[in-house]
Amino acid sequence: AQSVTQLGSHVSVSEGALVLLRCNYSSSVPPYLFWYVQYPNQGLQLLLKYTSAATLVKGINGFEAEFKKSETSFHLTKPSAHMSDAAEYFCAVTRGGRRALTFGSGTRLQVQP
Amino acid sequence: DGGITQSPKYLFRKEGQNVTLSCEQNLNHDAMYWYRQDPGQGLRLIYYSQIVNDFQKGDIAEGYSVSREKKESFPLTVTSAQKNPTAFYLCASSVTGDEKLFFGSGTQLSVL
Repeated sequence: AQSVTQLGSHVSVSEGALVLLRCNYSSSVPPYLFWYVQYPNQGLQLLLKYTSAATLVKGINGFEAEFKKSETSFHLTKPSAHMSDAAEYFCAVTRGGRRALTFGSGTRLQVQP
Repeated sequence: DGGITQSPKYLFRKEGQNVTLSCEQNLNHDAMYWYRQDPGQGLRLIYYSQIVNDFQKGDIAEGYSVSREKKESFPLTVTSAQKNPTAFYLCASSVTGDEKLFFGSGTQLSVL
């Protein structure tokens, strides 16, 4: 079985500060990993995905994530937070043999002015 | 514009009542999914369908039913057997073999 664990249900940063959202995965096979963002009362949008190519993945809105096999991690970062980044972020992994994604419990990002 | 449409946006269910949530897509995607979202628990897979007239149970299928009679439609019925139906329900679709999901804007279901 494959799963992801997101450390920290709430993260608060100041505008302009580094954003770091943590995700660790568990997988018996090389995983496909994803970060999605959800704005209030909306569906999810794909930020970026890792599919065994480059370990550093760049996504939309200035976000990027690095796949580290030795640490089983796929943390999401952004050098400088904007107010518009305030949202809930979900890490996800494919389930072995199925294409349906398994999502983490989410991290709500607050950006303080 | 192509996309996924979920309706209604808000839905109220009485005790013992079945309710159906609509999900329609015009992206020509073969695969469609239903997820349930509860605060602090992320998204949990209810049912998914890779092709018309075929669907599989997800992690929390008990108390739910689906049909996939048309490629563009994947309605979800919340039956009276689902004792805790209050949640935000999200429908998604994808191209078969592509893990990128496209989501609708969700339906908030509450119990009266």
